[in-house]
Amino acid sequence: DAGVIQSPRHEVTEMGQEVTLRCKPISGHNSLFWYRQTMMRGLELLIYFNNNVPIDDSGMPEDRFSAKMPNASFSTLKIQPSEPRDSAVYFCASSQWTGGDTGELFFGEGSRLTVL
Amino acid sequence: GNSVTQMEGPVTLSEEAFLTINCTYTATGYPSLFWYVQYPGEGLQLLLKATKADDKGSNKGFEATYRKETTSFHLEKGSVQVSDSAVYFCALGLNNAGNMLTFGGGTRLMVKP
Repeated sequence: DAGVIQSPRHEVTEMGQEVTLRCKPISGHNSLFWYRQTMMRGLELLIYFNNNVPIDDSGMPEDRFSAKMPNASFSTLKIQPSEPRDSAVYFCASSQWTGGDTGELFFGEGSRLTVL
Repeated sequence: GNSVTQMEGPVTLSEEAFLTINCTYTATGYPSLFWYVQYPGEGLQLLLKATKADDKGSNKGFEATYRKETTSFHLEKGSVQVSDSAVYFCALGLNNAGNMLTFGGGTRLMVKP
């Protein structure tokens, strides 16, 4: 069974350009998470969707960041305009939320973004 | 709020040495606790979990016990291997809160032959 699929794996862009990161969650999962990983700040939750609806976007840094989940099998994280401080590895994770105890998150391999 | 504190790395050990990575937490509710591992160039993957006090999670020779009285979930392994070299993340998730996890800063483990 395919895991969480992210694209691109690597992106190098110049400051001011638009960046779009893509994620395909595991089929049947109803929750999707975007995380950002940097040396300075560690792993930060950016946004969380449940049944395609954004539940918590309090971690989104600023208006330059936006995320969408138009259907259960696809999500995007967009940065416009990008800045050098956005350079990081962006992870997408999915899980099946059925209530009760916290379940396992399944992570993609990440998209490494470098903004020059 | 919720937070997880891990010992800073890197931790460098020789093969077959004993490993302990400390993790403490604060939580507004009653959390489940997790250890995730990240191998170079990969995403995080679940290593073990515990859902209530005094539970012991174990996997691949690693284990951690949920200690409510000390709000801790320390990771241990009796004999590490070179293949255990990775970054280890402690995390908590509040039950009935939709699988949202709060992660610690991560601890890099390097095992030398």
